[in-house]
Amino acid sequence: GAVVSQHPSWVICKSGTSVKIECRSLDFQATTMFWYRQFPKQSLMLMATSNEGSKATYEQGVEKDKFLINHASLTLSTLTVTSAHPEDSSFYICSARRQGGVETQYFGPGTRLLVL
Amino acid sequence: EDQVTQSPEALRLQEGESSSLNCSYTVSGLRGLFWYRQDPGKGPEFLFTLYSAGEEKEKERLKATLTKKESFLHITAPKPEDSATYLCAVQPMEYGNKLVFGAGTILRVKS
Repeated sequence: GAVVSQHPSWVICKSGTSVKIECRSLDFQATTMFWYRQFPKQSLMLMATSNEGSKATYEQGVEKDKFLINHASLTLSTLTVTSAHPEDSSFYICSARRQGGVETQYFGPGTRLLVL
Repeated sequence: EDQVTQSPEALRLQEGESSSLNCSYTVSGLRGLFWYRQDPGKGPEFLFTLYSAGEEKEKERLKATLTKKESFLHITAPKPEDSATYLCAVQPMEYGNKLVFGAGTILRVKS
């Protein structure tokens, strides 16, 4: 299979604090991972593309200084929401693209962030 | 501009009542079209990848087809456990690895 995990599955934090979310591909190597956010009853919105060993590519309107992405290995990417505010509360989902063959993205289970 | 439109927005079926979900797309060049299933509070689960017009793929009660302008997800004799949001996404040639998602179709199957 192609399993992607995320940790934590949910987090509650105070306004102004930073939160780190991990995304791991468990049984395959992923040179490219993606970070999405999803608001209730809406589809997925791509935030950034994370490439192993290089800087992430952010979508228009996404603040790169607020959403720090690090892709340090072929199986791990992290998203840090810095100085979180209530409007950052959302469902964050990562995906990993499996190398070779089909270019399918496999998604993690998501992380629910609530900023108080 | 690349666009993906899914219809209907929501669909209610009785158990055993077959139907189809539609995904219409506009892209300058299609690298691939993907179907995912998403349950509430979870990440999307991969179902199918289609690459060229005329291609079909099946998995249990689901069958996905592709033409040059749209894709259909046919559900045969659905069961309540098929209830979920079904997402369609296209990977345009020009975007490299990025996916463009439709808004999804919420399917409810009642027993």
